[in-house]
Amino acid sequence: EAGVAQSPRYKIIEKRQSVAFWCNPISGHATLYWYQQILGQGPKLLIQFQNNGVVDDSQLPKDRFSAERLKGVDSTLKIQPAKLEDSAVYLCASSPSYTSIGANVLTFGAGSRLTVL
Amino acid sequence: AQSVAQPEDQVNVAEGNPLTVKCTYSVSGNPYLFWYVQYPNRGLQFLLKYITGDNLVKGSYGFEAEFNKSQTSFHLKKPSALVSDSALYFCASMDSNYQLIWGAGTKLIIKP
Repeated sequence: EAGVAQSPRYKIIEKRQSVAFWCNPISGHATLYWYQQILGQGPKLLIQFQNNGVVDDSQLPKDRFSAERLKGVDSTLKIQPAKLEDSAVYLCASSPSYTSIGANVLTFGAGSRLTVL
Repeated sequence: AQSVAQPEDQVNVAEGNPLTVKCTYSVSGNPYLFWYVQYPNRGLQFLLKYITGDNLVKGSYGFEAEFNKSQTSFHLKKPSALVSDSALYFCASMDSNYQLIWGAGTKLIIKP
């Protein structure tokens, strides 16, 4: 079974520039998550999709961050304009179905490391 | 509000010795608990989960965790540590909205 694919693995940008991250979840997984992980901290949920609908985006800074999962498969997370504090690893994860507790085991991608200068 | 605490930022263990990484939780209702591991420059990987049943849960790579309801703990254990177990370990709990509440993580260092 192929894992969760993310790209790019690394990105360096200047503040106020824009950046986009792509994620392709495991085939058949209905739930897709974007997390932000700052060095030394636990992951922080940015947005969660169930198929192509948003379940939770309460911690997404909507003035600069946006995400979409138009066909219920792959997803894109965009930051525009970037700030210094956005430097972090952006993790994508998927699970079969978040409402099934026993099945709600997340599979993570390797992450996209963003450095904002 | 639900919370997960990992009281140790770092745990140091000699190779071959038993290891314990601590986790305590505060939830309303039944606790659903998870352990994930993060190796350097990698995403998180699922280790094990407690949903119901036996208090001792066995997982990947020889790890196990003991659920203790009276102490509201879910400590991760391994009888004999390997250098390759060195990584960042995260405990998580699922809330009533099926959202994961993450601990801050514990860095495990296994010394040869």
